[in-house]
Amino acid sequence: DTGVSQNPRHKITKRGQNVTFRCDPISEHNRLYWYRQTLGQGPEFLTYFQNEAQLEKSRLLSDRFSAERPKGSFSTLEIQRTEQGDSAMYLCASSSPSYEQYFGPGTRLTVT
Amino acid sequence: AQKVTQAQTEISVVEKEDVTLDCVYETRDTTYYLFWYKQPPSGELVFLIRRNSFDEQNEISGRYSWNFQKSTSSFNFTITASQVVDSAVYFCALSEAGGFKTIFGAGTRLFVKA
Repeated sequence: DTGVSQNPRHKITKRGQNVTFRCDPISEHNRLYWYRQTLGQGPEFLTYFQNEAQLEKSRLLSDRFSAERPKGSFSTLEIQRTEQGDSAMYLCASSSPSYEQYFGPGTRLTVT
Repeated sequence: AQKVTQAQTEISVVEKEDVTLDCVYETRDTTYYLFWYKQPPSGELVFLIRRNSFDEQNEISGRYSWNFQKSTSSFNFTITASQVVDSAVYFCALSEAGGFKTIFGAGTRLFVKA
């Protein structure tokens, strides 16, 4: 049983550039979540998909952030015109309808 | 609004001591889910337990036990006979009935010294 995978694991980018992260959930899970975690804090909810439908998006997510989950399988999170404040660990999780979420290793973004 | 408070930022114990991590939550929902996750130094969050709001039975799993009390809106986690491998950050989390948005506490960093 493979877990949740995320790519890349690390990304360094210059301010103003666009970045895209990928998440591959556990294959039988129809729910997929994106979170952001900064040092010393708990994961902060960004958005949620059930199959291919994006059902909820945090108000904290600016218009520079967009997420997709075509065909209800993998998901991508894109950040446009990155800012230094976007530097964080971006976590993906998936779950079945039993609600407990299984997390991937995360993508660490550094904006210089 | 939903909120999870983990008042203990860091706890340090000596191996074999028992330790309790506190979690207090706020929600207006009558149906909700509570979770504990462990984040070891390697970084990947590991699911430990899920509790729904209708099940107040305490649970024990090996050296881990959880005490859920709706009257005080608390969901505390106890590690008995702690071990060095228990050193990690532990997060308490709350989901509304639909299970969409999950709110995490700020975490408690546990250091277990040999």
